[in-house]
Amino acid sequence: NAGVTQTPKFQVLKTGQSMTLQCAQDMNHEYMSWYRQDPGMGLRLIHYSVGAGITDQGEVPNGYNVSRSTTEDFPLRLLSAAPSQTSVYFCASSPLGGVWTGELFFGEGSRLTVL
Amino acid sequence: KQEVTQIPAALSVPEGENLVLNCSFTDSAIYNLQWFRQDPGKGLTSLLLIQSSQREQTSGRLNASLDKSSGRSTLYIAASQPGDSATYLCALNTGTASKLTFGTGTRLQVTL
Repeated sequence: NAGVTQTPKFQVLKTGQSMTLQCAQDMNHEYMSWYRQDPGMGLRLIHYSVGAGITDQGEVPNGYNVSRSTTEDFPLRLLSAAPSQTSVYFCASSPLGGVWTGELFFGEGSRLTVL
Repeated sequence: KQEVTQIPAALSVPEGENLVLNCSFTDSAIYNLQWFRQDPGKGLTSLLLIQSSQREQTSGRLNASLDKSSGRSTLYIAASQPGDSATYLCALNTGTASKLTFGTGTRLQVTL
């Protein structure tokens, strides 16, 4: 029972480099989202998707791109990494309406450092 | 803008002690509130969900309460154990695009 799988778990980038954080879920969930967690702050929503082909911005979308070509995968792309994007990134998935029923499942996180 | 505060940021208690974690929010227009547990290097695990119409929810040694009018929720942990050591986060559903607004968390350490 894999649940939500994030790769890589750790990554170090130089300023200006690009990379993609991968997120995959095997629960056939319609809703997927990306959060970032910074010290002293709560998790903040970056982007989310309610189904294949549908994405929308969250609270802090600048500098990030997403796409949803399949139900299972929701990659997060950093186009030109900046030190301000140093953070721990979490992917979460749920059935539609999962936030109303508490059915939100998180991956183990990807720790990104931008030098 | 909804702001969610959790005080204290860190707490250390001896095993067996009963404890209360606090979550305060500025806007009472919420649909539900959820408590999560986060272990180091791991993702978040849902503990309890309280709908806005409810006053409390219980699961084992955990009891969560909600007072919308005062903008507060508490998580009560009875007879704490070292295995309860983790960071506890509260999160509010305000009905906006399936988005949760998270608190900053309380890091709990239960010592032997």
